Amino acid sequence: DAMVIQNPRYQVTQFGKPVTLSCSQTLNHNVMYWYQQKSSQAPKLLFHYYDKDFNNEADTPDNFQSRRPNTSFCFLDIRSPGLGDAAMYLCATSRGAGSGGYTFGSGTRLTVV
Amino acid sequence: AQSVTQPDIHITVSEGASLELRCNYSYGATPYLFWYVQSPGQGLQLLLKYFSGDTLVQGIKGFEAEFKRSQSSFNLRKPSVHWSDAAEYFCAVAPNTDKLIFGTGTRLQVFP
Repeated sequence: DAMVIQNPRYQVTQFGKPVTLSCSQTLNHNVMYWYQQKSSQAPKLLFHYYDKDFNNEADTPDNFQSRRPNTSFCFLDIRSPGLGDAAMYLCATSRGAGSGGYTFGSGTRLTVV
Repeated sequence: AQSVTQPDIHITVSEGASLELRCNYSYGATPYLFWYVQSPGQGLQLLLKYFSGDTLVQGIKGFEAEFKRSQSSFNLRKPSVHWSDAAEYFCAVAPNTDKLIFGTGTRLQVFP
C-alpha cells in the first residue's frame, strides 16, 4: 500500500547530541511536511518542501533543519536537541495546493535525556 | 488574522449521548476543511474532509460534519458516542496554499 513511513517510531537522544528523523513516501507526492506536536498540543508546522523548494515557518527555531534528497525521502535534523524539543514529530505528504489530500505518517516520538 | 478555533478544550459525554465538536475558521475564502482524531501516543487519523459540494459530509466511525459558510464553521457530530471515541479531535484547514493548519484540539472523554 502507498504510504508515509517514519523511522524510528521512538527515538531517545542526549541533550545537545544531533539527531536525525526520517520520513519516506511511496505516494510520489510533491509536498512533504514536518510537524512538531508537544504533549496535549496541536501539531505545529515546522517547514515543508514543494519538490526541492524549502519553505520554513517564520517561528521555526534555527536548531531545526531539513533535507529532501529526492522525492521519496525527507529528513528532519535537530542540531542540538534541548529538553524542550521532546515531542512527537509527524511527517505528512500532499500533491500540493488545491489537492486537498494529506497523508500522515505514524510519527516519531523523540525523548531528550 | 487567519486562524482555526476550537472553542472547547475538553468535552465529557455519556456513552450513547450525541456529540457536537465546534470548529470555526477565519480565512478570506473557503478553505479545505478536515477533522482528524488522535488517540494517546498515536498518529493522526482522518475522519472526514470537505472540499466543495454537499455541505453535510459523512466520515468514518459514524461521524459527520456540516459546513456553514455564513458562520465560517465546520462542526463535527455523532448521534451516539461509543466509549472507544474517547480521544483528541483536531479540526484543520488548508487555505489555498500548500499548508495544513490545525486547531488547538478538543479532548473528548466518554463516561459509561
